[in-house]
Amino acid sequence: KNQVEQSPQSLIILEGKNCTLQCNYTVSPFSNLRWYKQDTGRGPVSLTIMTFSENTKSNGRYTATLDADTKQSSLHITASQLSDSASYICVVSARTNTDKLIFGTGTRLQVFP
Amino acid sequence: GAGVSQTPSNKVTEKGKYVELRCDPISGHTALYWYRQSLGQGPEFLIYFQGTGAADDSGLPNDRFFAVRPEGSVSTLKIQRTERGDSAVYLCASSPLSGVDEQFFGPGTRLTVL
Repeated sequence: KNQVEQSPQSLIILEGKNCTLQCNYTVSPFSNLRWYKQDTGRGPVSLTIMTFSENTKSNGRYTATLDADTKQSSLHITASQLSDSASYICVVSARTNTDKLIFGTGTRLQVFP
Repeated sequence: GAGVSQTPSNKVTEKGKYVELRCDPISGHTALYWYRQSLGQGPEFLIYFQGTGAADDSGLPNDRFFAVRPEGSVSTLKIQRTERGDSAVYLCASSPLSGVDEQFFGPGTRLTVL
């Protein structure tokens, strides 16, 4: 069964600190992996998209890694800001004719001053 | 430019009623997706349109749910005989061509069935 699991479920850090969120998946055949940021009451916003051949991709203070062999990904947030408080969702696309997205349940990050 | 918009932002209805949720995708985007997100969960796929046709409706939970996109732009998700378990945020997303492109999400419609 295609699944995406994320850890931790929730995380609290102080402003300025770094953190790393984890994602494990069992999606096959794999097409790409995305990280989304979802603020409360808003739709998800794409942070990064990585294909099979990409190991790392950065978007400002966000850096995503992908190990397609172990089927693991991480999202590292550097020098966190209060505005980083949100849910971060790992999404894996299965390589079918419709490229269906399989969403994880997300990690709820809270950044305190 | 304008992003994906959804109306209404909130909808409260009684069990057994019929509701329609509207999605206005980004102009020119041919792919449109509907998702359902329950509290504390990630979005779950419902249906995918490529143009006017439903390319994949395997996520629709039962025949009470139906969606249309008659002119290949605006889409309407229709739910008949609503049940309390239908309460969720319904998200719409669009992308330029297909799922391999980035999907741009709307703010969602929060449906509450009393």
